[in-house]
Amino acid sequence: EDQVTQSPEALRLQEGESSSLNCSYTVSGLRGLFWYRQDPGKGPEFLFTLYSAGEEKEKERLKATLTKKESFLHITAPKPEDSATYLCAVQVPDSWGKLQFGAGTQVVVTP
Amino acid sequence: DSGVTQTPKHLITATGQRVTLRCSPRSGDLSVYWYQQSLDQGLQFLIQYYNGEERAKGNILERFSAQQFPDLHSELNLSSLELGDSALYFCASSEPTSGGSGELFFGEGSRLTVL
Repeated sequence: EDQVTQSPEALRLQEGESSSLNCSYTVSGLRGLFWYRQDPGKGPEFLFTLYSAGEEKEKERLKATLTKKESFLHITAPKPEDSATYLCAVQVPDSWGKLQFGAGTQVVVTP
Repeated sequence: DSGVTQTPKHLITATGQRVTLRCSPRSGDLSVYWYQQSLDQGLQFLIQYYNGEERAKGNILERFSAQQFPDLHSELNLSSLELGDSALYFCASSEPTSGGSGELFFGEGSRLTVL
């Protein structure tokens, strides 16, 4: 069965303290891997799509990378506004837009 | 603002009742997705419609049903409600690409509380 596992469950960072979140997956053929950000009481907000091993995407202080079995979301010099839950999701062939989400990593950045 | 509108934002009802959640996708988006988010289950895919037709089905209970209307808005009907149905229900839409897109635009959700 396809699985998506995120670690750690929670992460507390000081402002400026860089760190990485992990998303490991076991799927039968990966069509795409997606990162979303979710603020409390809000819907998830799309961040990145990665399609193949070795691919990297960047947006402000966030950088996502992909290998054959996992993806990392690197947060460089985070600010308090980066506090959120970060969700990883995978899409497999013939699944249309159906995404399988991980449980998320809750990130808190303190000043 | 994602452009996806969901109503109502909050709903409190009793066990055994039936409720309808409504979603208007972004202008031009043909696909609508419904997801359920609870504390113990995370974000779970329920069902997807594309231009009025059902395209993919997830772990949606038989007590739940959905449809997408000609104007592309969608409704999720939840009946014979149980305490465990209390959750956030999200609607999302995506651009009209063949095979479905993983870049979803989520609404702000409908929080259902069953007492």
